[in-house]
Amino acid sequence: EAGVTQSPTHLIKTRGQQVTLRCSPISGHTSVYWYQQALGLGLQFLLWYDEGEERNRGNFPPRFSGRQFPNYSSELNVNALELEDSALYLCASSLADRVHEQFFGPGTRLTVL
Amino acid sequence: AQSVSQHNHHVILSEAASLELGCNYSYGGTVNLFWYVQYPGQHLQLLLKYFSGDPLVKGIKGFEAEFIKSKFSFNLRKPSVQWSDTAEYFCAVNAQYGNKLVFGAGTILRVKS
Repeated sequence: EAGVTQSPTHLIKTRGQQVTLRCSPISGHTSVYWYQQALGLGLQFLLWYDEGEERNRGNFPPRFSGRQFPNYSSELNVNALELEDSALYLCASSLADRVHEQFFGPGTRLTVL
Repeated sequence: AQSVSQHNHHVILSEAASLELGCNYSYGGTVNLFWYVQYPGQHLQLLLKYFSGDPLVKGIKGFEAEFIKSKFSFNLRKPSVQWSDTAEYFCAVNAQYGNKLVFGAGTILRVKS
């Protein structure tokens, strides 16, 4: 069974630019979660999508947004990039009725210069 | 708000030494508890989990953890570590039926061969 996949692996952007990160969940999983792993800040919850809807949001500004597609894949968009957005962005997925059991992808490393 | 505290940021052990990594959480309700591991260059993997029942849970690779409700703790243990256990370990909690995982800052374990 394939795990959670994310693309791209690495990204380098400059301040003020916009970026889109992509995630494909495990087959059969309908919930997708996004986390930010920034240096010194640990893993922090960003967003939760289920059945195409945003269900929960962490303490991040509105320039962090996303969506979930009918095939349950998801995108995370970050507008007006700031230096402190440099981090590893992790996507996780779960079954609809087991949202507390999340399986993580390898992450996308974003560097903002 | 939920929070998770991991007592040590860096731990260095020799092979065959015993390991105990501390984790305390703050949340007044029923929780689900997790330990995740991130080996160098690999993605976050679930080591073990506690939902209910026997407070001593066994995970993969010989790891176990004990949930002590009165102490709000979920410490990770292994009787004899191996060089291959070198990794970063994260304790995480979510509220029962919750979707957001709250992570500790992580503990980097280095095992000397």
